[in-house]
Amino acid sequence: EAQVTQNPRYLITVTGKKLTVTCSQNMNHEYMSWYRQDPGLGLRQIYYSMNVEVTDKGDVPEGYKVSRKEKRNFPLILESPSPNQTSLYFCASSISGNKETQYFGPGTRLLVL
Amino acid sequence: GENVEQHPSTLSVQEGDSAVIKCTYSDSASNYFPWYKQELGKRPQLIIDIRSNVGEKKDQRIAVTLNKTAKHFSLHITETQPEDSAVYFCAAPAGGSYIPTFGRGTSLIVHP
Repeated sequence: EAQVTQNPRYLITVTGKKLTVTCSQNMNHEYMSWYRQDPGLGLRQIYYSMNVEVTDKGDVPEGYKVSRKEKRNFPLILESPSPNQTSLYFCASSISGNKETQYFGPGTRLLVL
Repeated sequence: GENVEQHPSTLSVQEGDSAVIKCTYSDSASNYFPWYKQELGKRPQLIIDIRSNVGEKKDQRIAVTLNKTAKHFSLHITETQPEDSAVYFCAAPAGGSYIPTFGRGTSLIVHP
């Protein structure tokens, strides 16, 4: 089944404790991205990747890191989480860019205390 | 960068009525306009999209219209049903950008 998966689905952590949210897609998509969704603010892109080893900042990259060592995986890293990073996070992929259907993962709900 | 405004933020209709959600964008080079539906607790999923070379696209009860001159596009849902209740997002990636800019969403409530 073609899909985007994320883990974990729910995470409670404390300020400053490094964490990684994994994202994987099995559709051989070139473009992958991370979004955060906050009430009243819609979906805002954090980082995107056009292909392996090619990543770039989205609209709200501060406090996040990403890597794209393999085509199928695009982990999101919070090296020192803060409470303002409490949010719902979605990974997404598309065939080759942002002007095509974005396929979203199931979401990761993060609470930073 | 692109600026996308979506209205209304909340829309309440009776079952069977029509619903219209409108988005305006700022970059005249934008050429791809998708609409996503997000049911409660679920992921966003594409329901319809339109490219700038057409003015309207229909898929059963949903349609999208595009006015490039005025820089706005709208989602139309006819004969609404309770299962249409969800948050709907538009997006308008700026012409030269790899970042998809989403509207803030419209919460559609369809009352039985």
